[in-house]
Amino acid sequence: DAKTTQPTSMDCAEGRAANLPCNHSTISGNEYVYWYRQIHSQGPQYIIHGLKNNETNEMASLIITEDRKSSTLILPHATLRDTAVYYCIVRVVRSSNTGKLIFGQGTTLQVKP
Amino acid sequence: DAGITQSPRHKVTETGTPVTLRCHQTENHRYMYWYRQDPGHGLRLIHYSYGVKDTDKGEVSDGYSVSRSKTEDFLLTLESATSSQTSVYFCATSVQGVSYEQYFGPGTRLTVT
Repeated sequence: DAKTTQPTSMDCAEGRAANLPCNHSTISGNEYVYWYRQIHSQGPQYIIHGLKNNETNEMASLIITEDRKSSTLILPHATLRDTAVYYCIVRVVRSSNTGKLIFGQGTTLQVKP
Repeated sequence: DAGITQSPRHKVTETGTPVTLRCHQTENHRYMYWYRQDPGHGLRLIHYSYGVKDTDKGEVSDGYSVSRSKTEDFLLTLESATSSQTSVYFCATSVQGVSYEQYFGPGTRLTVT
């Protein structure tokens, strides 16, 4: 599985877009990019995932570069409740999967008033 | 979110005593997972289950055993608790292993004195 690199921490002003980068330069063609977040003292929460195309759901947008070596998670209008640790995970998705997630250290996003 | 509960939510126990943590889900998800979370280590997979009576080891399985006699319940047992097992334990489920979209429980904080 490809290794991911994320900044340790980031700040964002409330109401502004939060752009969280992830580098996965060794990603292979059949690996998906997943994003999770963990708000303090809670269990992790799935946000979004993608393979090649940009994806959007009610929580966030995922922008994957054309060479797939990096991606950006975008929270369009960050609120104080979005303060959390954000994890970028790259995994192969196939029928024999056991679904084991491997979490790195993630990015601590602090949304400030 | 899948209805996932964990019990107990908090527990303090003494070194050498057996401890069992319970994860219960109401969504009929096939896959279930136990993770532990420690400062500086992030989330690490302990054991997982891909069906009733079907379990396998994760990356930090030493000192832990699991059982799954029903789809809805996944038990994690520390046969003889040690101080190094002081941690926050999270249970997760997924509909199928093919997807890495997992739903996490609220966690159990275990302290071994």
